[in-house]
Amino acid sequence: NFMLTQPHSVSESPGKTVTISCTRSSGSIGNSYVQWYQQRPGSAPTTVIYEDNQRPSGVPDRFSGSIESSSNSASLTISGLESEDEADYYCQSYDSSNFWVFGGGTKLTVL
Amino acid sequence: EVQVVESGGDLVQPGGSLRLSCAASGFTVISNYMVWVRQAPGKGLEWVSVIYSGGRTDYADSVKGRFTISRDSAKNTLFLQMNSLRAEDTAVYYCVTRQSWMVYWGHGTLVTVSS
Repeated sequence: NFMLTQPHSVSESPGKTVTISCTRSSGSIGNSYVQWYQQRPGSAPTTVIYEDNQRPSGVPDRFSGSIESSSNSASLTISGLESEDEADYYCQSYDSSNFWVFGGGTKLTVL
Repeated sequence: EVQVVESGGDLVQPGGSLRLSCAASGFTVISNYMVWVRQAPGKGLEWVSVIYSGGRTDYADSVKGRFTISRDSAKNTLFLQMNSLRAEDTAVYYCVTRQSWMVYWGHGTLVTVSS
């Protein structure tokens, strides 16, 4: 099986752009779709990116997802940071049995 | 609109049992891919179990043999029967549905296993 590794925390100022990485330990990142979930303090997770780079209706276009084969990783990029973006972010993909694999989560602080 | 609402979380003693429910609206449970995900206090997300539209089920190794996922078409509800509960099962349990690869989350229900 594989692991998804995320940075424990990232921080950036309002209005800036931040990128959160999610690196797959073995097997190709392109083998299965990657999703990104936002979890604000005290709330349930919500989906901000699915199917690698698709944005659900209602999610601002400041959020974007991508896959990078060279680093075997997925990335979530948030531009024009706002205070409401401060949250934990989790990446998720599927293993060969279609079981869900989550990254450890990244705490985003908007300074 | 796709919605799922969990219920049934409670305080239970180690070795005890609990059944969680997930009432669905805006779609039919038996025709869709349904998952339980949990989150221990202060920890990350952990996949627990899945039931496919065809009825096949799978479980994480940590709950295999103790938890059972099922569904009721008449009630349009998903269930998670949890037996032989342990302290490490303490978590918020989220009901999740995936439709055309988009993932919808419920608000969660808290299960506390403690004497």
